[in-house]
Amino acid sequence: DQQVKQNSPSLSVQEGRISILNCDYTNSMFDYFLWYKKYPAEGPTFLISISSIKDKNEDGRFTVFLNKSAKHLSLHIVPSQPGDSAVYFCAASPFGNEKLTFGTGTRLTIIP
Amino acid sequence: GAGVSQTPSNKVTEKGKYVELRCDPISGHTALYWYRQSLGQGPEFLIYFQGTGAADDSGLPNDRFFAVRPEGSVSTLKIQRTERGDSAVYLCASSGAYNEQFFGPGTRLTVL
Repeated sequence: DQQVKQNSPSLSVQEGRISILNCDYTNSMFDYFLWYKKYPAEGPTFLISISSIKDKNEDGRFTVFLNKSAKHLSLHIVPSQPGDSAVYFCAASPFGNEKLTFGTGTRLTIIP
Repeated sequence: GAGVSQTPSNKVTEKGKYVELRCDPISGHTALYWYRQSLGQGPEFLIYFQGTGAADDSGLPNDRFFAVRPEGSVSTLKIQRTERGDSAVYLCASSGAYNEQFFGPGTRLTVL
């Protein structure tokens, strides 16, 4: 039972354009969401998070949008840069519980 | 160092052997987590410590897996009678006052 789903295993985007990575969840108890970026042979690196009381959080080139009614969140990267090429994981946790449930990841490739 | 460190980086063992994986969290972080990542999947939660005690061990797959954190800092994940299905990257993370978890580089365990 995959409670956090990333339905696109891979995505290719031209350098300078916008990258949009999507994530869906099924557990209504989730109220805190995070995006992690992972390079090969390294652990996931925290990128950005959002709590359920917000619908948008922005940090530099990264913006996360949350649509609670649709149980959907997305990560926007603009402009995309070659160094953004990595695997991106969406993760979620319920209030008061720090256990993270991860999606299966989306491999983003930025084409120079 | 400033980040989470894990040793060894790679561990190859034979089926039936016992292994220990070590995690050094970020100094001052009270929460420590263990996750397991199999090929093509996102990290899966194993166990979470708050201080010295296991606050949530619901992700441990069976009683062959055990983890300790005796002094509230370093943690050791112990796997008895290893099986080929235990082969994965074992990730450790720590967090402080906020929910962002900071991951180590992982230990790649291969059971032959």
